[in-house]
Amino acid sequence: DAKTTQPNSMESNEEEPVHLPCNHSTISGTDYIHWYRQLPSQGPEYVIHGLTSNVNNRMASLAIAEDRKSSTLILHRATLRDAAVYYCILRDERAAGNKLTFGGGTRVLVKP
Amino acid sequence: DTGVSQDPRHKITKRGQNVTFRCDPISEHNRLYWYRQTLGQGPEFLTYFQNEAQLEKSRLLSDRFSAERPKGSFSTLEIQRTEQGDSAMYLCASSLEDGSTDTQYFGPGTRLTVL
Repeated sequence: DAKTTQPNSMESNEEEPVHLPCNHSTISGTDYIHWYRQLPSQGPEYVIHGLTSNVNNRMASLAIAEDRKSSTLILHRATLRDAAVYYCILRDERAAGNKLTFGGGTRVLVKP
Repeated sequence: DTGVSQDPRHKITKRGQNVTFRCDPISEHNRLYWYRQTLGQGPEFLTYFQNEAQLEKSRLLSDRFSAERPKGSFSTLEIQRTEQGDSAMYLCASSLEDGSTDTQYFGPGTRLTVL
């Protein structure tokens, strides 16, 4: 599976935007970029995914570089409930099963 | 729809004992996954089922581990002769494979402590 690189941690103030970078220089043409997050003492939850175009949903936005070698998850207004570990994952949609390969993720701390 | 549930939430056992965990996926989800997560690390894939068929197993899944999904509904993960290194959070996820990107929905996990 292609590898992703994320900063270990980031801090943000409440109600300010958070930009979480992810590098994936070895991404292949069939890899989708997925983001999951894991709140304390919970299982991971899906945030957003994309292939080439930027994507928006109610939770976040995903900005994908033109060469697809990096992407940024954007939380527009961080709340205390957004404090979690955020995982950037590449997933080859051709592969049977589509298991998720998690890295270390970025731990986001939101300060009131 | 109550989401993915796992039972028990916590299990403490002594080394050498056998343990069994249960996962109830979201109804109608045809895929079911097991992951393991140790402290400070991201989850690691163990195995997955498409309906009742176990289609992939990680090398992490030693012969002491066995998983089943009878009738393609709930799943069980059994660990025989537990070792202290088996202490971890065991996560179950389910998804609906319908030809598009299937989102995985995770349960709360079972935390295993082997003394």
